[in-house]
Amino acid sequence: SAVISQKPSRDICQRGTSLTIQCQVDSQVTMMFWYRQQPGQSLTLIATANQGSEATYESGFVIDKFPISRPNLTFSTLTVSNMSPEDSSIYLCSVERPGSVYEQYFGPGTRLTVT
Amino acid sequence: GESVGLHLPTLSVQEGDNSIINCAYSNSASDYFIWYKQESGKGPQFIIDIRSNMDKRQGQRVTVLLNKTVKHLSLQIAATQPGDSAVYFCAEAAGNKLTFGGGTRVLVKP
Repeated sequence: SAVISQKPSRDICQRGTSLTIQCQVDSQVTMMFWYRQQPGQSLTLIATANQGSEATYESGFVIDKFPISRPNLTFSTLTVSNMSPEDSSIYLCSVERPGSVYEQYFGPGTRLTVT
Repeated sequence: GESVGLHLPTLSVQEGDNSIINCAYSNSASDYFIWYKQESGKGPQFIIDIRSNMDKRQGQRVTVLLNKTVKHLSLQIAATQPGDSAVYFCAEAAGNKLTFGGGTRVLVKP
């Protein structure tokens, strides 16, 4: 299985600021995914990031608010811009299991609190 | 730390008993259905999956049942252990996109 790390593991930020979350995988992967998990809720897909192309965003999420970078096959960043308390969530990255089109390995998540 | 399942439905189970977790899905075109387990402070972990053309699949201590007629999915855990305490999410897959269900928190009582 892939080993995925995220930085930071948690942060407390002031409203109006931005935070960039890093996701590092120990193997090369084509697709990386970013999810949001609001307190007490399930996971919602924010966007899919392929190396060398712009990320594909799901309905309700826009690039200006959640810019994503995918500079190589092992790394991606998600920025939460101009934060408000409603952005307080756990943000998780995931990658596809090689050979599977649907099974994903998840990182440990970044717990963000916006005050 | 704060549990991700703080506001989710909770299933309390006596250690050694069987657990049954239910899930309703919405997309009849989904190819696969998957169960994930999320422990506190960790990302979801794959448990078992079932293809849409099957109605039952068994793993180690777990069984997944799929009823396409009523769009219902269940996960059965045999002889529930303290390590099974977690939040369980069902997910449906269409292509490489996963859509997660609401989740159930399982608490195992000693």
